[in-house]
Amino acid sequence: SQQGEEDPQALSIQEGENATMNCSYKTSINNLQWYRQNSGRGLVHLILIRSNEREKHSGRLRVTLDTSKKSSSLLITASRAADTASYFCATVERGGADGLTFGKGTHLIIQP
Amino acid sequence: KAGVTQTPRYLIKTRGQQVTLSCSPISGHRSVSWYQQTPGQGLQFLFEYFSETQRNKGNFPGRFSGRQFSNSRSEMNVSTLELGDSALYLCASSLEVGVGTLFNYGYTFGSGTRLTVV
Repeated sequence: SQQGEEDPQALSIQEGENATMNCSYKTSINNLQWYRQNSGRGLVHLILIRSNEREKHSGRLRVTLDTSKKSSSLLITASRAADTASYFCATVERGGADGLTFGKGTHLIIQP
Repeated sequence: KAGVTQTPRYLIKTRGQQVTLSCSPISGHRSVSWYQQTPGQGLQFLFEYFSETQRNKGNFPGRFSGRQFSNSRSEMNVSTLELGDSALYLCASSLEVGVGTLFNYGYTFGSGTRLTVV
């Protein structure tokens, strides 16, 4: 079953601009992860944030987590054409009984 | 370091047949998970194996099964194929060592096997 819901479903911006994607989920989580997928290929792990963390950075990526609102955001700064992809949030529930539960994804298009 | 390897990359099968997909995880990774991706249902968890034991299972019928070998390689099998089983099947491995431990690692995914049932 789907837990996370990404918003927006699709996003088109100019190269160099920042892109922000949001994710909401329903249950208590152990951690939340963001993945990127290019053209129906395998997913690439971007960043993991644990439930006791509020913000995490990795290169041009910034992830925030608000467990009281059950939401997370992914910010990609100074976007590049190569960032064009689908981005998914995935949660690991407490106890980790259901593997990764994915949202439906945000399709990001970077216009050169 | 070699990534997660899935074979075959593409497969076309007929309704009613059975299929076996293979996954070789990253060396040292003992956790292997399988996911199904379709346009309608998105990414859905099938099952997870750790040290040759199925640790978790998603909400799929019994036609979907899997196993893990002592070298951590995993296979999944789908029997009596239906048209709705057409999907991208993704395998992922992780350094994660057990349920209840602090999750510090993400998953590394293979490129997937695209199964078409006709």
